[in-house]
Amino acid sequence: DVKVTQSSRYLVKRTGEKVFLECVQDMDHENMFWYRQDPGLGLRLIYFSYDVKMKEKGDIPEGYSVSREKKERFSLILESASTNQTSMYLCASSLQGLGGGYGYTFGSGTRLTVV
Amino acid sequence: AQKITQTQPGMFVQEKEAVTLDCTYDTSDPSYGLFWYKQPSSGEMIFLIYQGSYDQQNATEGRYSLNFQKARKSANLVISASQLGDSAMYFCAMREARGSQGNLIFGKGTKLSVKP
Repeated sequence: DVKVTQSSRYLVKRTGEKVFLECVQDMDHENMFWYRQDPGLGLRLIYFSYDVKMKEKGDIPEGYSVSREKKERFSLILESASTNQTSMYLCASSLQGLGGGYGYTFGSGTRLTVV
Repeated sequence: AQKITQTQPGMFVQEKEAVTLDCTYDTSDPSYGLFWYKQPSSGEMIFLIYQGSYDQQNATEGRYSLNFQKARKSANLVISASQLGDSAMYFCAMREARGSQGNLIFGKGTKLSVKP
């Protein structure tokens, strides 16, 4: 089975800190994604990447950046954490394509609290 | 306009009964895929079922079935014989063949609570 691993389950950071959220997948998937999840808002796409060193902005990229130096690893960076970035962050990966086999596999999520 | 609409923020169902979670979608792409995910309180998203826009039959996976009504742009999830472990958030999602690199677009979710 595909496994997507997020480095931290819970994280507490101070306002203004630089925060790194790491995500690693082990099935050679081309696509990787970062979402944030907030009650009543569902999942919103922050950034995604369809190849090494490639990145594309999602719906809410402001305040975030990403890095994909290796195919298996996709990092989300909060350059200067703010309290409104307190959220659940979900990483996912997928093969390229449309069909049922190309759904997403998610990590367990990181609950980030910025104080 | 929302691409995926889940109109039920929360639902209750009695254990062992069937329940339908609603999902409507909006797309002009003739080729697309529809997905349902379950998210228990632990937080991880679990893939449940997939329906392709060209699939002739409704998808089924164990106790889950997808009631696909293409003309109505509806993709409701039916869970038969509900169990306590079905209590979770459920998300409907769509992937279009063109645009946005084929990314999944999610609805806002429905919280299902199964009563003993």
